Amino acid sequence: EADIYQTPRYLVIGTGKKITLECSQTMGHDKMYWYQQDPGMELHLIHYSYGVNSTEKGDLSSESTVSRIRTEHFPLTLESARPSHTSQYLCASSRGREARDEQYFGPGTRLTVT
Amino acid sequence: QKEVEQDPGPLSVPEGAIVSLNCTYSNSAFQYFMWYRQYSRKGPELLMYTYSSGNKEDGRFTAQVDKSSKYISLFIRDSQPSDSATYLCAMPWIPYNNNDMRFGAGTRLTVKP
Repeated sequence: EADIYQTPRYLVIGTGKKITLECSQTMGHDKMYWYQQDPGMELHLIHYSYGVNSTEKGDLSSESTVSRIRTEHFPLTLESARPSHTSQYLCASSRGREARDEQYFGPGTRLTVT
Repeated sequence: QKEVEQDPGPLSVPEGAIVSLNCTYSNSAFQYFMWYRQYSRKGPELLMYTYSSGNKEDGRFTAQVDKSSKYISLFIRDSQPSDSATYLCAMPWIPYNNNDMRFGAGTRLTVKP
């Protein structure tokens, strides 16, 4: 089983609240990712990081922000949650730079904004 | 047109059946082809990957790639209830740089005892 953790697993929050989704991995991986997953839809990459102090936006426009101050930690923040942010958020990491390198996923955070 | 198309199912089969899961893709630049399995309330995990055309076998699982048709398949022989999961195909967009992975929508499979 992958050593990548996400908290909280489930979150119900009201519109306008600021939230931070936590993601940590103990594998020493440089690359980390955040994906959004909705039922019947493909995973969409919203943020990724090559290492400490490196963050990039993915192909899906997102109002969230990320930071990478430590190798093992890659939190995602929503400054003002909206119902359109309701989704499953998956964090992942990978070892290196090869295209075939496996991505290890956390269990996900299911976010509901009311 | 989506770059990766996958029928979301759901697909329900009896135990012991042969299962065929498929994806089509539009970009001929894809070179690596992966299958991830996602159990309920878990994140996806890599099941198999292949490079180029042909077949790759791993136990009861066979991954097949037909680049001429831009079509990939995952076959499960002697399916078991423990195979019940969502199966996602995935393709790195740029070789040697997998920060841009294209995923299919996933096919939800149920294997009934």
